[in-house]
Amino acid sequence: LAKTTQPISMDSYEGQEVNITCSHNNIATNDYITWYQQFPSQGPRFIIQGYKTKVTNEVASLFIPADRKSSTLSLPRVSLSDTAVYYCLVGVRQAGTALIFGKGTTLSVSS
Amino acid sequence: GAVVSQHPSWVICKSGTSVKIECRSLDFQATTMFWYRQFPKQSLMLMATSNEGSKATYEQGVEKDKFLINHASLTLSTLTVTSAHPEDSSFYICSARDFAADNQPQHFGDGTRLSIL
Repeated sequence: LAKTTQPISMDSYEGQEVNITCSHNNIATNDYITWYQQFPSQGPRFIIQGYKTKVTNEVASLFIPADRKSSTLSLPRVSLSDTAVYYCLVGVRQAGTALIFGKGTTLSVSS
Repeated sequence: GAVVSQHPSWVICKSGTSVKIECRSLDFQATTMFWYRQFPKQSLMLMATSNEGSKATYEQGVEKDKFLINHASLTLSTLTVTSAHPEDSSFYICSARDFAADNQPQHFGDGTRLSIL
């Protein structure tokens, strides 16, 4: 079973900031939080990963509170091309450990 | 960055034929690769874990005789769908992580669309 819960869908407009929150109440001490983006007929693409506090890269920020029971992916100033499914996953960072996907959040960006 | 390549990207074939899908890690070695299946408007479902030099581990409900997995080298895993039928039509995706760098994320191939007529 997936370890995460996230909204099924979200709508936004171009130029807005989008925050997608993921709940992972049973996260383990060794688990990391990873977000992937998937476009239709493509494999998931890595966005960002973190363990605690805040992580930022060129495309997104990841906010993780101290209790680590949730996390928020922040996409600044979305564009139409950000329309995709976003998956939040938790798991250990070991090469031999599979990622188990939940349902993901379908983000629709309109002009 | 790390890249996982899948081939072919699209296959259409007749019912009863076998289809082989390749998954390659292009710039890193992977002792373990993973195979997923995704039906339309659904999430990815883990099918099996492919282990280099040993037998694959299949998830519950996945027929090992139907989906043959071979991981003969540190950069190549293959999934063969044997005697494929229309219900096997799906989007198959592989993934891998550099076994020498646990701090790196898992990377996914771009998937193979399998259509059985």
